[in-house]
Amino acid sequence: AQSVTQLDSHVSVSEGTPVLLRCNYSSSYSPSLFWYVQHPNKGLQLLLKYTSAATLVKGINGFEAEFKKSETSFHLTKPSAHMSDAAEYFCVVSDQGTYKYIFGTGTRLKVLA
Amino acid sequence: KAGVTQTPRYLIKTRGQQVTLSCSPISGHRSVSWYQQTPGQGLQFLFEYFSETQRNKGNFPGRFSGRQFSNSRSEMNVSTLELGDSALYLCASSAGTGLFPGETQYFGPGTRLLVL
Repeated sequence: AQSVTQLDSHVSVSEGTPVLLRCNYSSSYSPSLFWYVQHPNKGLQLLLKYTSAATLVKGINGFEAEFKKSETSFHLTKPSAHMSDAAEYFCVVSDQGTYKYIFGTGTRLKVLA
Repeated sequence: KAGVTQTPRYLIKTRGQQVTLSCSPISGHRSVSWYQQTPGQGLQFLFEYFSETQRNKGNFPGRFSGRQFSNSRSEMNVSTLELGDSALYLCASSAGTGLFPGETQYFGPGTRLLVL
């Protein structure tokens, strides 16, 4: 069975400092992994995805993530946080052979002025 | 292209009633998935429809059902509502071809259901 674990439920950073949101996955197959962001009272927006191409994936709004098979990780980073990045972030693995997304529990990012 | 739309956006019902939520996918997408989001359980998969057929189902009771129409629009229905059904219900669409690994799902804004 596939699963993802988001290691931090809350992360606080100061504006202009780097962001690191951690995600570990478990999969019997080569996984497809995604990061989505959810702003308050909004739906989910895709930030980036990994599907066995380049291990460093660049997404929107300056976010990127690196797939590390040896560490079973797919951490999300951004060099410099902006106030508008405050939101909840979800790491997702796509279940092999189905269209079922398996979500992590989410990380709420707070950006301090 | 227009994104995924969901109606209504907000809904208040009482226990025992039933409710129907609607989702219109991105034009050309044939797969529609439904998810329930609650503070306690997070995001959980309900079911997925492709070409009017339920292709995958999550672990929800039979009170939760859905269907898809020939134009790919989908509805989900919850009968005999319980307080615990209060949640944000998200719909997502994708091309659904299964030809590519990790096909992206595009989410709608959700319908927030409150059961009193």
